[in-house]
Amino acid sequence: GAGVSQSPSNKVTEKGKDVELRCDPISGHTALYWYRQSLGQGLEFLIYFQGNSAPDKSGLPSDRFSAERTGGSVSTLTIQRTQQEDSAVYLCASRHNLRDKAGTLHFGNGTRLTVT
Amino acid sequence: RKEVEQDPGPFNVPEGATVAFNCTYSNSASQSFFWYRQDCRKEPKLLVSVYSSGNEDGRFTAQLNRASQYISLLIRDSKLSDSATYLCVVTFNAGGTSYGKLTFGQGTILTVHP
Repeated sequence: GAGVSQSPSNKVTEKGKDVELRCDPISGHTALYWYRQSLGQGLEFLIYFQGNSAPDKSGLPSDRFSAERTGGSVSTLTIQRTQQEDSAVYLCASRHNLRDKAGTLHFGNGTRLTVT
Repeated sequence: RKEVEQDPGPFNVPEGATVAFNCTYSNSASQSFFWYRQDCRKEPKLLVSVYSSGNEDGRFTAQLNRASQYISLLIRDSKLSDSATYLCVVTFNAGGTSYGKLTFGQGTILTVHP
């Protein structure tokens, strides 16, 4: 079946511009997570959603970062006034709270963001 | 102190070797623990869950020591295909079957050579 889909797969933007990253989770998955991974680093938690609400957004690095989820499905991560340190791979993951084995997250292929 | 800490390696071992990775976590209230595997430029995938009683899945054995806040992964009879980054994951149960934040360690790089 279809997995988690992220778009765009690559994004190059100039410092100071705003970007929007999109995540389409697997159909029926209530939980949705955003992480970012810099070169050679582990995954840094950003935010997670249960349905349309975000119980934990503690990982958002600054107020330039925001995320929303509508209709319990698609999520958008927005970065305003991008900085070079925002360059990373942004990964989205989803899970089905009832059907998935404990600890399972289904990751998308990520969006590679480069800020020049 | 980081919430989850791992030795980044790299570990370079010959085929057939046994290799062990360690991970420590700082929050004693953490409830669930996992090991993920990430191949180069690929997305992470769940490898094994970690229980106090130990969890053996083929060549992989995961162990939890709550008193020491320590998690381990043992790989026996290493294969070339085991070459990857291994990520330690710690989380809280948010209630029922849902999970809150899953916190990943920085990963340990393993290279298995012929």
